[in-house]
Amino acid sequence: QKEVEQDPGPLSVPEGAIVSLNCTYSNSAFQYFMWYRQYSRKGPELLMYTYSSGNKEDGRFTAQVDKSSKYISLFIRDSQPSDSATYLCAMSLDGGTSYGKLTFGQGTILTVHP
Amino acid sequence: DADVTQTPRNRITKTGKRIMLECSQTKGHDRMYWYRQDPGLGLQLIYYSFDVKDINKGEISDGYSVSRQAQAKFSLSLESAIPNQTALYFCATSDFEVNEQFFGPGTRLTVL
Repeated sequence: QKEVEQDPGPLSVPEGAIVSLNCTYSNSAFQYFMWYRQYSRKGPELLMYTYSSGNKEDGRFTAQVDKSSKYISLFIRDSQPSDSATYLCAMSLDGGTSYGKLTFGQGTILTVHP
Repeated sequence: DADVTQTPRNRITKTGKRIMLECSQTKGHDRMYWYRQDPGLGLQLIYYSFDVKDINKGEISDGYSVSRQAQAKFSLSLESAIPNQTALYFCATSDFEVNEQFFGPGTRLTVL
C-alpha cells in the first residue's frame, strides 16, 4: 500500500461547479500538507500549503486537513476552465530540516468544461 | 527567463545507452531534487542534494546516478538505459523550506 493514496480520476465537471479532491495517507507522522497543480506539459507548482489540522482558504481554493482521519481535501469553488490540470497532494514530516522531503499522491486529472 | 531549466526537453534513446539529463537554476537555492513521473504513480524521488557536498538517495535510485557540479547545476545520469526508465523527469529546487519546491519544465525520456 502506498503511503499516500489519491483517486486519479479523471474528473470532469461543468464550469461553476464545486470540485472536491482528496487524499488519504497512512503515516501519522506527516505534519505538512501541500497541494501542487500541474498544467499539461509543465512542472508542478505549489498551490496550497497547510500545517497540521484545520482549514486554509485562498480565493476560490480551500485546503482541509483532518489528521484524526488521515485525510486531506482541496475544494475549488466556482471552477473555471483554467483550473483544468492535474492536482497532486504532497506531504512531509517537517519543513526545513535535512530530513525533510515530500511524498506525493498519484495526482487527479481535472477537466472543467465550459 | 525560466528559474529552473532542464535540457534536453525530449530525448529518445536505445537500451544500453548512457544518458545525462541536466538541470540549472537561477533561484539561488541550495536544495535540488530529481523526480520521475509515471502515469498513475505520481512523482517519485530519485535523488536529492541539500548542498554541493550532500547527495542522498531517494525512493527509486537504482539505475541512476547524479552529480552536483555547482550550487546551480544538478545532473542525472542513466548509466545503461532500459525501457522501464521511459518516463517524465523533473528537476526541482527549494530553499531551506523543503515543502515549497520549484519545478523545471520536465524532460520526456523514451528508451527503446
